[in-house]
This record gives sequence, structure tokens and C-alpha cells, in this order.
Amino acid sequence: NAGVTQTPKFQVLKTGQSMTLQCAQDMNHEYMSWYRQDPGMGLRLIHYSVGAGITDQGEVPNGYNVSRSTTEDFPLRLLSAAPSQTSVYFCASSYSRGGGLASPLHFGNGTRLTVT
Amino acid sequence: GQQVMQIPQYQHVQEGEDFTTYCNSSTTLSNIQWYKQRPGGHPVFLIQLVKSGEVKKQKRLTFQFGEAKKNSSLHITATQTTDVGTYFCAEPRVRQAGTALIFGKGTTLSVSS
Repeated sequence: NAGVTQTPKFQVLKTGQSMTLQCAQDMNHEYMSWYRQDPGMGLRLIHYSVGAGITDQGEVPNGYNVSRSTTEDFPLRLLSAAPSQTSVYFCASSYSRGGGLASPLHFGNGTRLTVT
Repeated sequence: GQQVMQIPQYQHVQEGEDFTTYCNSSTTLSNIQWYKQRPGGHPVFLIQLVKSGEVKKQKRLTFQFGEAKKNSSLHITATQTTDVGTYFCAEPRVRQAGTALIFGKGTTLSVSS
């Protein structure tokens, strides 16, 4: 049981390049999300998904795209990388709950991205 | 949307001293979760509090949920070097497509022996 798998672990991009951060989970979780972590800023929600075909913006969505074609995968696309997107990116998943409740998140090991 | 407020941002203690981090929200929370992130690692779920006034313990860690469900705290008794890391609280936030977890900025704990 691998849990949440993120690839790559490290990536260096040049300004303007595009790339996709991969996230896969094998726990049959409906809910998946992407966070970025910057010093002193905590974890900020980029995008989330409550099931295949359903995605929504989080707190800091600009410059990022997502799609959810399967329950298992939730890739994060950087369209045109900028130095401000230098960060550590975490993917997380959980079972979905309604009514304003949330289930505990399972995090991947993170992707450290540097944009020069 | 405003992040849930967490204080202090940093705390340094001597091994054996106690430590507390606080989480405050302007709105009534349905529940609150706590996570720990070791240096270089990923956040790991610690506990979830749901009921007003709830107190839960995990060995030397005590978690409290306020009576009004607007604040929460994590208290560590007699800290050890293994407690080093960043502690986050997280609140569920109803958004357009569903409920997402919003994290506080965290409290980073350092412990000297």
C-alpha cells in the first residue's frame, strides 16, 4: 500500500517553462488536493477535487491548472513557471465528507520546485 | 478567505519544558484537525476534535477544543527532542465544490537538550 505518491521529488525549471507535478493515491479516496508550502506561510491550498471530473480553486490557484480524470490521479500543471512558484508542493487525499466536515488528510512526500 | 490564526509562529524550549500552541478562528468550526511536520518531512495527521469543550490526550500531548468551537490548543508536557517540528491546525471550509481543509501558518517548535 503506497499511499500518496508524488513525482518528481525535485525539479528545477527556467522561467516560462511548463511542467506537470504528478500525484497518485491507491486508497480509493474521493478527495484530493494540492498545497504549496513557503517559509512563514504555512500550507496554502491551490486546487482541490471531490471526485473524478470535479475540481475547484483553492486559496492560491493562479498559474496552476488541474484535472481529475480518474479517482487515483490528480496532476498539477504549471503553465508558464515563474520564480514566485518556487516552493514545496504537497499532494494530499482523504475520504470525502459533507456538511462542512473533513476527513484526515494523507500527504505525499512533496515535490521541491525551483524556478530560476 | 482568511487563514485560521495560529500563535506563536516560533517557540524554542529547553528539553523538559512545556509547550503550547493556539489556534483561533473568527467563525464557529464544525471540527478542527492538528498535524505535525518533522523537518524535511510531510504533515502527518495527529487528531481531530469535533465536540465543544472536547479534550483528547495522546501520551504527552493534550488537545483542547474551545467551548464556543472558535479556538483550539495543543499542549505538550515535558518536551523531548523528538517533538521538534511544525504543528499545524486545520479547519474545514465549505467551498464551491465541497469542503476543503485550510491550514494555519503553523508553530515551529525547537527543543534544545
